[in-house]
Amino acid sequence: AQSVAQPEDQVNVAEGNPLTVKCTYSVSGNPYLFWYVQYPNRGLQFLLKYITGDNLVKGSYGFEAEFNKSQTSFHLKKPSALVSDSALYFCAVRDFQTGANNLFFGTGTRLTVIP
Amino acid sequence: NAGVMQNPRHLVRRRGQEARLRCSPMKGHSHVYWYRQLPEEGLKFMVYLQKENIIDESGMPKERFSAEFPKEGPSILRIQQVVRGDSAAYFCASQHGTGGTYEQYFGPGTRLTVT
Repeated sequence: AQSVAQPEDQVNVAEGNPLTVKCTYSVSGNPYLFWYVQYPNRGLQFLLKYITGDNLVKGSYGFEAEFNKSQTSFHLKKPSALVSDSALYFCAVRDFQTGANNLFFGTGTRLTVIP
Repeated sequence: NAGVMQNPRHLVRRRGQEARLRCSPMKGHSHVYWYRQLPEEGLKFMVYLQKENIIDESGMPKERFSAEFPKEGPSILRIQQVVRGDSAAYFCASQHGTGGTYEQYFGPGTRLTVT
């Protein structure tokens, strides 16, 4: 069965500092991994995805994520946080092996960037 | 190119009434997913449809809930005889093609409140 864990409900970081939002996953086969961001009262916006290839994936708004197969992790990172990055971040996985088309989401991590 | 559209954005229903939620996918997308988000939780998959077909409804309650995606017009998620536990945000997502590599694009959601 597929699952996604985001171990931190809340992450606080000072503006200008690097940020990391953690995600670990469990699937039966090779994973397709996604990060989405949700602003208040809005839908989810796609940030980036890992399908295959280079373990470091670059996405929108300066975000990147590193796929680590041995640690089954896909942490989201940004070198320098902005106040406008404050939002709810969701990691999601799709299991290539089962062919399931839907996404399995983590419970989300609320990022607060402090000015 | 308009994004995924959902209406209404907010819907209030009394217990026992019916709720109809509409979703128009992005232009050129023929795959629609419905997800439900309870407060402070991640999104949970409900149903996956292609035009005129339900592909996967494994996440949708067997009773009171139904979904369709007709040849013409938006996808509809219908909840009959709503109960307070149905109060949630319902998100629709569309995808360009079949297969796990495609990202899903989300609408702004419909916030259903059952009084």
